[in-house]
Amino acid sequence: DAMVIQNPRYQVTQFGKPVTLSCSQTLNHNVMYWYQQKSSQAPKLLFHYYDKDFNNEADTPDNFQSRRPNTSFCFLDIRSPGLGDAAMYLCATSGQTDGNEQYFGPGTRLTVT
Amino acid sequence: QKEVEQNSGPLSVPEGAIASLNCTYSDRGSQSFFWYRQYSGKSPELIMFIYSNGDKEDGRFTAQLNKASQYVSLLIRDSQPSDSATYLCAVRSGGSQGNLIFGKGTKLSVKP
Repeated sequence: DAMVIQNPRYQVTQFGKPVTLSCSQTLNHNVMYWYQQKSSQAPKLLFHYYDKDFNNEADTPDNFQSRRPNTSFCFLDIRSPGLGDAAMYLCATSGQTDGNEQYFGPGTRLTVT
Repeated sequence: QKEVEQNSGPLSVPEGAIASLNCTYSDRGSQSFFWYRQYSGKSPELIMFIYSNGDKEDGRFTAQLNKASQYVSLLIRDSQPSDSATYLCAVRSGGSQGNLIFGKGTKLSVKP
């Protein structure tokens, strides 16, 4: 089945220790998104790629970076995680349909100790 | 600032009843509207999308859109305990490549 895959599902890192989260997709969608979601809050868009074009949200901290080496893969790098970065990180994709509906992966739960 | 507003709930309905979830949005230029279901600790799952005024039905779910009132709703008929989740309303504006703006979600509880 075509899908969005995220690894790992759970990640524990230490304060200040860099961490990388990965996302892959078999949908061949050209747009990939990274969201941060904290408990009882709406998903917050961090950045997205339209093909290779990177789009950063104005309020995304510099501590967050992203790479998209090819259509299928996208990475989220957190250079120096703080306690406030503990959250669910969601990857989503969308393709060239009328409404560009987004499909989410299962998410990575990040804990910072 | 473009906003999407939802009543946070919890909305409690008995099993078999109709659950009605509501959402308003601020950007009159919004084009596409989505409902996602999110179980606790899981990622959002797309359950309905609607682009045109009126109703769109899919099984037990009906999405309703009124662009003049900037209002979109989701009806769940014959509610089941398995429908208990948070329902996120999302709105796309700024053309077909506009990003989604999410509401904070309404928590639905279906009591057996």
